[in-house]
Amino acid sequence: AQSVTQLDSQVPVFEEAPVELRCNYSSSVSVYLFWYVQYPNQGLQLLLKYLSGSTLVKGINGFEAEFNKSQTSFHLRKPSVHISDTAEYFCAVSDWETSGSRLTFGEGTQLTVNP
Amino acid sequence: DSGVTQTPKHLITATGQRVTLRCSPRSGDLSVYWYQQSLDQGLQFLIQYYNGEERAKGNILERFSAQQFPDLHSELNLSSLELGDSALYFCASSVGVGGPYEQYFGPGTRLTVT
Repeated sequence: AQSVTQLDSQVPVFEEAPVELRCNYSSSVSVYLFWYVQYPNQGLQLLLKYLSGSTLVKGINGFEAEFNKSQTSFHLRKPSVHISDTAEYFCAVSDWETSGSRLTFGEGTQLTVNP
Repeated sequence: DSGVTQTPKHLITATGQRVTLRCSPRSGDLSVYWYQQSLDQGLQFLIQYYNGEERAKGNILERFSAQQFPDLHSELNLSSLELGDSALYFCASSVGVGGPYEQYFGPGTRLTVT
């Protein structure tokens, strides 16, 4: 069975500082990895995804993530955050070969950007 | 705007009642997923339909059921509601099934059971 662990439930940072949101996964087969963002009172929006190929994935709003198979990690990074990045971020995994296209989500990380 | 619509946005009902949540997928998407987001359980996959047929089941209670209609919209039926069913219910859609298709999420229906 697949699972996702987001290592930090809350991450406070100052505006223009870099940030890293950590995600570890476990799965017995090849996986696809995703980061979603949820702004208050809204649905989930896809930030980026790793399917195959280059381990460094670039997404929207200046975010990027690095897939590390040996460490089973998929950490999300942004070099300089804005107030508008304040939101909850979810890491998700899909091992569609065994579990179909369902997404298994982590517990979420609340990113709060302070002025 | 993801193109996925969900109605109603908010629903308040009493324990023991039954409600129906509705989802319209993005134009062209054949697959619909239902997820539940609650404080204690987080985001959990409930069920998936593809072109009218059930394709995968997750942690969905027996009191809950769903279906996808010929026009591809889907409904999630929740019956004998309990306080613990209070949650945000998301619908997502994707083009296909069995591959890494991107899922587009609707804005959710917030269910409050009193």
